[in-house]
Amino acid sequence: AQSVTQLDSHVSVSEGTPVLLRCNYSSSYSPSLFWYVQHPNKGLQLLLKYTSAATLVKGINGFEAEFKKSETSFHLTKPSAHMSDAAEYFCVVSDRSSGGYNKLIFGAGTRLAVHP
Amino acid sequence: EAGVAQSPRYKIIEKRQSVAFWCNPISGHATLYWYQQILGQGPKLLIQFQNNGVVDDSQLPKDRFSAERLKGVDSTLKIQPAKLEDSAVYLCASSLVGGQGQPQHFGDGTRLSIL
Repeated sequence: AQSVTQLDSHVSVSEGTPVLLRCNYSSSYSPSLFWYVQHPNKGLQLLLKYTSAATLVKGINGFEAEFKKSETSFHLTKPSAHMSDAAEYFCVVSDRSSGGYNKLIFGAGTRLAVHP
Repeated sequence: EAGVAQSPRYKIIEKRQSVAFWCNPISGHATLYWYQQILGQGPKLLIQFQNNGVVDDSQLPKDRFSAERLKGVDSTLKIQPAKLEDSAVYLCASSLVGGQGQPQHFGDGTRLSIL
């Protein structure tokens, strides 16, 4: 079965400094991977997705992630943090449900705090 | 395009009472999902519909939870009777099809508090 591990439950950065949110995955086949963001009292918004095309994936709001098969990692980065980036971030792997359909497996989340 | 709509946004009930949540997916999306998100955790899939048929309900506590998606559009999720451990945010999501790699679009959720 597929799984994801988010290595940090909390990350704190200063505004204007780089962001790194770490994610390792476990998959028995070529996975589809996603990063979602959740602002307080809101649903989840898709930041970016990897589906076996280019290993460096660019998303919205300046975020990007690199798929590294040898390290089974899919870390999320941003060159310069903005106050509005403060939120919960989820690394997600796609699995197959019993019916053969798409099923998302979520990591536990990383809470990003951005300080002035 | 309009997003996934959920109601109510908040619900407070006492244990052993019943509650229902409603979801309207993005127009044309064949696949609909209900997730439970307990505070401090990632969402956990409860049930997945493809059109009006269930394709995965392996993690749905069927003794108290039920869901339906009549006519393959709107869906309702019901809890009866509610327990204290059901306090969570219930998220509805939809996707165009159910294949691997398809992104899911989420509603804002219903926050359920059990007293």
